[in-house]
Amino acid sequence: EAGVAQSPRYKIIEKRQSVAFWCNPISGHATLYWYQQILGQGPKLLIQFQNNGVVDDSQLPKDRFSAERLKGVDSTLKIQPAKLEDSAVYLCASSSLSSVGTQYFGPGTRLLVL
Amino acid sequence: AQTVTQSQPEMSVQEAETVTLSCTYDTSESDYYLFWYKQPPSRQMILVIRQEAYKQQNATENRFSVNFQKAAKSFSLKISDSQLGDAAMYFCAYRSVSSGSARQLTFGSGTQLTVLP
Repeated sequence: EAGVAQSPRYKIIEKRQSVAFWCNPISGHATLYWYQQILGQGPKLLIQFQNNGVVDDSQLPKDRFSAERLKGVDSTLKIQPAKLEDSAVYLCASSSLSSVGTQYFGPGTRLLVL
Repeated sequence: AQTVTQSQPEMSVQEAETVTLSCTYDTSESDYYLFWYKQPPSRQMILVIRQEAYKQQNATENRFSVNFQKAAKSFSLKISDSQLGDAAMYFCAYRSVSSGSARQLTFGSGTQLTVLP
């Protein structure tokens, strides 16, 4: 079974530029999550989708971050414009309704904003 | 809101020895899940072990086992026969049983484990 796929793996941009990350969850997983992990900290949830609907986006900075999950499969997370403090690893995870709460993570995208 | 605390920012262990990583959590719920994830330098989060709160028996996965003390809200991870490949950041995480937004994981701040040859 293929795992969660993410791209790109690394991205370096200048502040005020825009950037987009892509995630493909494990096949059949209805729930998809985007986490932000700042160096030295645990991951923090940005947004949670169930199928193509948003379940929780309370910690998403909506003035600059947006996310979508078209057709309930792949998802894209966008930052526009980026700030220095957005430098972090962005992790995508997915879970099925029957996986007893277990979330499976992708390899992450490391973003550096200069 | 639930909180997860890992009070040991760094730990070290000699290869082949045993080490225990600590985790405490705060919740008013009676049923929930607890997890230990491992994050090597590649930054991929890898599930190590999972515990359902309604189960009294401690979970075990090969060299990894937990000591789950529900009343004390404590969930420690024991790694036996430590190997060089065990070196990583270890995160304790909590998840409510409830559906919807409560499915998110709440993570601790992590413990960096070094394995000494």
